[in-house]
Amino acid sequence: GAGVSQSPSNKVTEKGKDVELRCDPISGHTALYWYRQSLGQGLEFLIYFQGNSAPDKSGLPSDRFSAERTGGSVSTLTIQRTQQEDSAVYLCASTFWDRGFNEQFFGPGTRLTVL
Amino acid sequence: ILNVEQSPQSLHVQEGDSTNFTCSFPSSNFYALHWYRWETAKSPEALFVMTLNGDEKKKGRISATLNTKEGYSYLYIKGSQPEDSATYLCAFSMDSSYKLIFGSGTRLLVRP
Repeated sequence: GAGVSQSPSNKVTEKGKDVELRCDPISGHTALYWYRQSLGQGLEFLIYFQGNSAPDKSGLPSDRFSAERTGGSVSTLTIQRTQQEDSAVYLCASTFWDRGFNEQFFGPGTRLTVL
Repeated sequence: ILNVEQSPQSLHVQEGDSTNFTCSFPSSNFYALHWYRWETAKSPEALFVMTLNGDEKKKGRISATLNTKEGYSYLYIKGSQPEDSATYLCAFSMDSSYKLIFGSGTRLLVRP
């Protein structure tokens, strides 16, 4: 079946502009995660959605970052007034959450470059 | 600050060599330990999710062990092949949300 998809695959923007990154999780997956990998860094957790619960935003680096998940499916990560330090690969992952072994299925990522 | 450490940072081996990597994580508030393989231009792919102290998992030539009391996990690759070349990530979760704290990875290059 279809995996996690993300769009765009690459995005180049100018400092100060807003960007939207999209994630389509695997159908039926209840949990969705956003991570990013900045140059030379490990993957960093940003935000987590589980069903209809309030999202866990504890990893968002600043109030310029926000995310929503519509209809329990597609998610959009929005970065306002982008800065050069926002340049990174942004990865989305989804899983069918239960109390078992919840391996996460990752999308191919969006490479964001802020000039 | 919760830290997940992986070593070595990179490793070059010859085809047929066996190799292993280490992941260290906080032993308190442990819920699960994940291993992922991330090949260039592809998505990270789950290898193992482990939750029990002493757990051992195996998938083909790759296996992993877990020690939650001392806070480490080993990943072993037996008879490395060029297609094993990738970055191997370990990640730790503290609770059932499974939000992951990743190490910086071990980059493996297997020479034919």
